[in-house]
Amino acid sequence: QQQVKQSPQSLIVQKGGISIINCAYENTAFDYFPWYQQFPGKGPALLIAIRPDVSEKKEGRFTISFNKSAKQFSLHIMDSQPGDSATYFCAASIGGAQKLVFGQGTRLTINP
Amino acid sequence: DAEITQSPRHKITETGRQVTLACHQTWNHNNMFWYRQDLGHGLRLIHYSYGVQDTNKGEVSDGYSVSRSNTEDLPLTLESAASSQTSVYFCASSEQGIAEAFFGQGTRLTVV
Repeated sequence: QQQVKQSPQSLIVQKGGISIINCAYENTAFDYFPWYQQFPGKGPALLIAIRPDVSEKKEGRFTISFNKSAKQFSLHIMDSQPGDSATYFCAASIGGAQKLVFGQGTRLTINP
Repeated sequence: DAEITQSPRHKITETGRQVTLACHQTWNHNNMFWYRQDLGHGLRLIHYSYGVQDTNKGEVSDGYSVSRSNTEDLPLTLESAASSQTSVYFCASSEQGIAEAFFGQGTRLTVV
């Protein structure tokens, strides 16, 4: 029940394309869903986050879509750029950044 | 600037030895966390603390311990290092009621 399942494990997208990463959860008590971006040799950094009272949140080229009934959420990266190449983790928690449960990660490569 | 630092960045140790990884944050955050990152598993919570003298077990706490004697530091101790504990370890901190967690740069630990 504490798991967050993330797919795909790896993704290759052409520059300018749309990158889509999906996550699913079981625990309906989760009320905070962040996405973290990690570059090689660095720690994860918060990219964007959503709470279940909204279905979509957009920040620049990054959008989270949230489907509460399906217990799924996804990250969309529009106009993907080579600088977006990184590993992306979805996560979930109860009560904010208290105890984050992470997905398995997606290694995204944007080809120039 | 406030930050969170981990030391050492890399360590090689032998099976059976006690190892301590340091984590220091200058944000004065109440919450501190230790995660391990392994391919295919994302980040998994080892131990966490919500304040001085408070420590709690996470998902994968066996073989690890922490202590919180002040706000700034949460050292992680491997009592008797095992090869299964070869991993990259991340420390994170967050403020109570604030959603974002800040991660350190990580410590790559190899147990031989």
